[in-house]
Amino acid sequence: GENVEQHPSTLSVQEGDSAVIKCTYSDSASNYFPWYKQELGKGPQLIIDIRSNVGEKKDQRIAVTLNKTAKHFSLHITETQPEDSAVYFCAAHRDRGSNYKLTFGKGTLLTVNP
Amino acid sequence: GAGVSQTPSNKVTEKGKYVELRCDPISGHTALYWYRQSLGQGPEFLIYFQGTGAADDSGLPNDRFFAVRPEGSVSTLKIQRTERGDSAVYLCASSQERRELDYEQYFGPGTRLTVT
Repeated sequence: GENVEQHPSTLSVQEGDSAVIKCTYSDSASNYFPWYKQELGKGPQLIIDIRSNVGEKKDQRIAVTLNKTAKHFSLHITETQPEDSAVYFCAAHRDRGSNYKLTFGKGTLLTVNP
Repeated sequence: GAGVSQTPSNKVTEKGKYVELRCDPISGHTALYWYRQSLGQGPEFLIYFQGTGAADDSGLPNDRFFAVRPEGSVSTLKIQRTERGDSAVYLCASSQERRELDYEQYFGPGTRLTVT
């Protein structure tokens, strides 16, 4: 089955700096890669996703890049703010019939220091 | 609009008891997923419903776990003879999946289950 590795496990940055979180996946057939933000005591919130037919996607301060050859994808947050502090998860799935179950990384705890 | 809701938000039960966890998906979403999240880990897939049927239950850890979605909307995850190792946050997600590209999954707040 699919295996997703995520690094780093913790990341601390100063407000205004950029943050980068990286993930690798094992199944070359995976074709959808979402990123979720999870705040304490809440469920994961979808913040951005990318499909295998594009290499980069941007939404305001958040961008995701995908390298299918190397089987890795990254989340980039620019101009970080204290409210960006949370646990971030990457995930992947392949289009196997109609089942889009996600395989998640172990998460990155991002702390943005004011 | 309303998101995915889950009840209860917290459940404390004794080892050996039976529990039911409920999920109300986003209206109109045909696909429903249950995941389990242990402390410090990412969510792990349990079961997937497309409409009323369980299309994939390969993530259920053993036969003490069962889930239903009788009318294609609300789903209930049932755990029999609970064990301390079942303690985790149980997350529900729903997805439209009407077209090839409509598979974004939206999660509920989860139910924190503690088995004492």
